[in-house]
Amino acid sequence: EVQLVESGGELVQPGGSLRLSCAASGFTFNNYWMHWVRQAPGKGLVWVSRINTDGGSTNYADSLRGRFTISRDNAKNTLYLQVNSLRAEDTGVYFCARERCRGSCSFDYWGQGTLVTVSS
Amino acid sequence: DIQMTQSPSSLSASVGDRVTITCRASQGISNYLAWVQHKPGKAPKTLVYGATTLQSGVPSRLSGSGSGTDFTLTISSLQPEDSATYYCQQHLSYPLTFGGGTKVEIK
Repeated sequence: EVQLVESGGELVQPGGSLRLSCAASGFTFNNYWMHWVRQAPGKGLVWVSRINTDGGSTNYADSLRGRFTISRDNAKNTLYLQVNSLRAEDTGVYFCARERCRGSCSFDYWGQGTLVTVSS
Repeated sequence: DIQMTQSPSSLSASVGDRVTITCRASQGISNYLAWVQHKPGKAPKTLVYGATTLQSGVPSRLSGSGSGTDFTLTISSLQPEDSATYYCQQHLSYPLTFGGGTKVEIK
């Protein structure tokens, strides 16, 4: 059974940093591109970042580039999101998702998310 | 960036009703369109990919149609478990973008 379990979210002060993790199991992790998506309270889903299978290629939402860094450890079957210089507007639930391409690509599995709260 | 516009933003319908949600892309995206269902406190779930293909395990009362810029998600007979927010999402080019969501409530 495919499982994606996020962790690392917590209450942090503005300007602080966090490293979010997404532990993957039930599939060959290093065969899949992985993504982060977030949802601010009361708002919709927003794509954050994506990483290829070996970590050598990444993409970011324009507004987050420079503060957020996606990475992966294929030996540990874990995806990461380093978030720096946190702002109140970064508050929300962060989901990891697996990408699968069958003609067209989509997220075929999602985690349940980890909550980041940025507040003093 | 490709903008995704959904309508309506919310709807209320009765069990058994036919429900249609529309999504328009700001430029052509061929069939690189997915529909995602999200219930509060749960993991999102992708229902449809490639604009028309149901993800494994998704009930056949749901269907997706469209290509290019205009897409539709239809629930042929609304069930209580369909209460959720639905998002369209383009997977053609980065940054990937979602529509604003359609909240479906059961009367």
